[in-house]
Amino acid sequence: AQSVTQLDSQVPVFEEAPVELRCNYSSSVSVYLFWYVQYPNQGLQLLLKYLSGSTLVKGINGFEAEFNKSQTSFHLRKPSVHISDTAEYFCAVSDHTGNQFYFGTGTSLTVIP
Amino acid sequence: EPEVTQTPSHQVTQMGQEVILRCVPISNHLYFYWYRQILGQKVEFLVSFYNNEISEKSEIFDDQFSVERPDGSNFTLKIRSTKLEDSAMYFCASTLGLVTDTQYFGPGTRLTVL
Repeated sequence: AQSVTQLDSQVPVFEEAPVELRCNYSSSVSVYLFWYVQYPNQGLQLLLKYLSGSTLVKGINGFEAEFNKSQTSFHLRKPSVHISDTAEYFCAVSDHTGNQFYFGTGTSLTVIP
Repeated sequence: EPEVTQTPSHQVTQMGQEVILRCVPISNHLYFYWYRQILGQKVEFLVSFYNNEISEKSEIFDDQFSVERPDGSNFTLKIRSTKLEDSAMYFCASTLGLVTDTQYFGPGTRLTVL
């Protein structure tokens, strides 16, 4: 089975500052990795995913993440955040069947004007 | 852009009652999922469904839970006898095919069991 750990439950950051949201996973098999964003009263929206190939993955809204197999991490970054980035961010992992997704507990990103 | 819809947005029920949560996946999608999120906790996988049968289910998905695709558009989650600990946000998701495809999530149904 897989599991995901998001080390920071809340991350406040000033507008236009960079941000990194941390995600670590554990798995005995090869995995796919995902980051989702949840805006208030909305469902989860995919930001980006790592399936294979380049370890640096670019997603929507200027976010990117880097897969580090040796450190079993998949941290999410954005060089300059905007007020509209305030949301809950979830890291998720799946094995290659995709029948089960395992989510982290989420990180609440608050962008301060 | 097509989207997954869920009804109702909020359901309040008495302990022991049956509830049915409804989802309309994106029309050409083939794989369907239910997740739940207890307040303040992580999103937890419940079940995946393909070709009119369950593909995978978690230990949470016990005999009190069932899923059905009664027609070509709806995908339902039934809880036969609700317990207080079933109170959570329930998300439906669908994907076109393989795991490499994007899962589209609905906005969720908040279930409150009193």
